[in-house]
Amino acid sequence: SALTQPASVSGSPGQSITISCTGTSSDVGNYNIVSWYQQHPNKAPKLMIYEVNKRPSGISNRFSGSKSGNTASLTISGLQAEDEADYYCNSYGGGNAWVFGGGTKLTVL
Amino acid sequence: QVQLQESGPGLVKPSETLSLTCGVSGHSISGANYWAWIRQPPGKGPEWIGTVDYRGSTYYNTSLINRITISVDTSKNQFSLTLSSVTAADTAIYFCTRLMNPGHFDYWGQGTLVTVSS
Repeated sequence: SALTQPASVSGSPGQSITISCTGTSSDVGNYNIVSWYQQHPNKAPKLMIYEVNKRPSGISNRFSGSKSGNTASLTISGLQAEDEADYYCNSYGGGNAWVFGGGTKLTVL
Repeated sequence: QVQLQESGPGLVKPSETLSLTCGVSGHSISGANYWAWIRQPPGKGPEWIGTVDYRGSTYYNTSLINRITISVDTSKNQFSLTLSSVTAADTAIYFCTRLMNPGHFDYWGQGTLVTVSS
């Protein structure tokens, strides 16, 4: 089953927001293999966070990840207009399978 | 810089077979990585379809396992997807990606829209 994310979140420039991603003890809760992707309209998803809290080279330190139990979170601090996009979480689900979240639309007010 | 490019028909008739190829440049497909197909129906979240390594070992989404085949051609540095007996529910943007150990998708193709319609 897909991971559960809020449909939308919003924040003003400069503020911080957090997007949650809830799975089960078979995926998010059992593996530290959670990643987050940013997707702008008509673009491919872009890796922002991997292995719960690691940032790929070139990704701003305004993006951070964490996990507690079956829920992972993506926090974006110092919101900027360019952060407005859809965000998806992903987790390893065991058995060489991966599961995505339904996505969260971030609006920068 | 790793680059991936999907290619294939943008329109497939119901009950027929969807076939896509992903060309990889900037990285040998024979490296110690996995390669994956992911699809995204319009307005929805992505769905992992399946994964292949350079030896041809495959792992499939159980919801599609009876209809999909993923293969690799190391001589052409590309991998492919076939999905049989398609219906309108298979209409989606199909992405090819690199899957890095232990499990994140770091490079993506631009995606190709496949519409299932008569």
